[in-house]
Amino acid sequence: GAVVSQHPSRVICKSGTSVKIECRSLDFQATTMFWYRQFPKQSLMLMATSNEGSKATYEQGVEKDKFLINHASLTLSTLTVTSAHPEDSSFYICSASNSGRRADTQYFGPGTRLTVL
Amino acid sequence: AQKVTQAQTEISVVEKEDVTLDCVYETRDTTYYLFWYKQPPSGELVFLIRRNSFDEQNEISGRYSWNFQKSTSSFNFTITASQVVDSAVYFCALSVETSYDKVIFGPGTSLSVIP
Repeated sequence: GAVVSQHPSRVICKSGTSVKIECRSLDFQATTMFWYRQFPKQSLMLMATSNEGSKATYEQGVEKDKFLINHASLTLSTLTVTSAHPEDSSFYICSASNSGRRADTQYFGPGTRLTVL
Repeated sequence: AQKVTQAQTEISVVEKEDVTLDCVYETRDTTYYLFWYKQPPSGELVFLIRRNSFDEQNEISGRYSWNFQKSTSSFNFTITASQVVDSAVYFCALSVETSYDKVIFGPGTSLSVIP
C-alpha cells in the first residue's frame, strides 16, 4: 500500500515561534495533499487542500496567513504554523491522493503532535 | 451538503463479544465513497475499507464485516469476537466526486474492549 510519512512526529515549541511540518508520499506521486487538524477526543477537520504547483485551498475559518502550505513537488507538502500560540496545539495529520478529481482513497500520514507552550 | 453521523460516542464490550458501530451519512450526490478508518491510541489512521455508492454488497474481511444500506443511508461496521487490540476510535467517512476528494469524517466512536 501507499506510504505517507510526516516529520516531525512530535514537536514542542514556545509561543510566538514558527513550526514546519513535512508530509511526504514515499512510493507514489501525490497530485493532491490534504492537511487536517484533530483536537483531543474530536474528529478530523480538513484545514486545506493543496495541489502540486498551485496555491492551497483553505477551508472556511482557517487563516491562510497563519497556516502556510507549500506543495512544491509531487511527493512533498509542508505546513508551517506561523507565530504559534497555545491554542494551535493539536494533532496535525496530512494525507495524499494520486487520483486527481476522482474521489478515491486518501493515504494518511502518522500525524504530528504539536504542543505550544 | 455532506454529513456523517456516528451516534455512538463510546462503546465498551467484553472481549469476544460482537459489536456493531453505526454510521449514517447524508449526501445528494449519486456517486460517493464511504470509508472506515481505525485510529489506535498511537494516533495513526488505519484504512479499513472503501465502498462506492454503486456497490451495495456487504463485505467481510476476517472478523470485520460491513453492511451498506443505501435505503437507510447507513454503512455499519461489525467486529465479531472482539479483541483488546480492537480498542480504538473508529471513524466513518464520506467523499463525493463533486468535491475534489474532500473527505468528511464522522465524529468517531471510541471502542473499548475489556479483557
